[in-house]
Amino acid sequence: GAVVSQHPSRVICKSGTSVKIECRSLDFQATTMFWYRQFPKQSLMLMATSNEGSKATYEQGVEKDKFLINHASLTLSTLTVTSAHPEDSSFYICSAFQPGQSTGNTIYFGEGSWLTVV
Amino acid sequence: DAKTTQPPSMDCAEGRAANLPCNHSTISGNEYVYWYRQIHSQGPQYIIHGLKNNETNEMASLIITEDRKSSTLILPHATLRDTAVYYCIVKVAGANSKLTFGKGITLSVRP
Repeated sequence: GAVVSQHPSRVICKSGTSVKIECRSLDFQATTMFWYRQFPKQSLMLMATSNEGSKATYEQGVEKDKFLINHASLTLSTLTVTSAHPEDSSFYICSAFQPGQSTGNTIYFGEGSWLTVV
Repeated sequence: DAKTTQPPSMDCAEGRAANLPCNHSTISGNEYVYWYRQIHSQGPQYIIHGLKNNETNEMASLIITEDRKSSTLILPHATLRDTAVYYCIVKVAGANSKLTFGKGITLSVRP
């Protein structure tokens, strides 16, 4: 299957600082990427949908000014957690839509990024 | 998108087939059935998807009932590394069609 890569896999930051997570589609161009958050022992919760070259669409309850999403190219989307607080500590996962398939397009996921805010 | 229901957990013996059920009784005609799995502390892994015909790939088989109201994911020879949470999701095709995750089913493969 297609490859989606996230970086960093783990990051620790101080409360009040910002941290950026990158999501890259390595072998295909992704017009649409999705960002999820997962707390321990819970399922994945969609945060936002990003389309290349346009503003992201955020799910209800997700603060767009806190979670900045940029999808500047067809292979890269970034999530910046601004003014991070301990409650933002979570597993953040991106996914990318692979276009061009004829029988139901597939979405591939990155490895995830663990964020710990201290 | 239609919702799905899955049992919370099941187990099977290593080397045996694992049959994971999923109910999607309100599925629409243009919605596909997707299966993903998540091994602890990793991103979800795509397994297989189908519309109405049964599908098979190197990982698994997907059996969809004729009325499309339920499906079964079959792992033909389960290994310990197949222990994971398996998610059955229905959604339409298309770039902005989101994958909405439920609680999934936890498969435990025992030696």
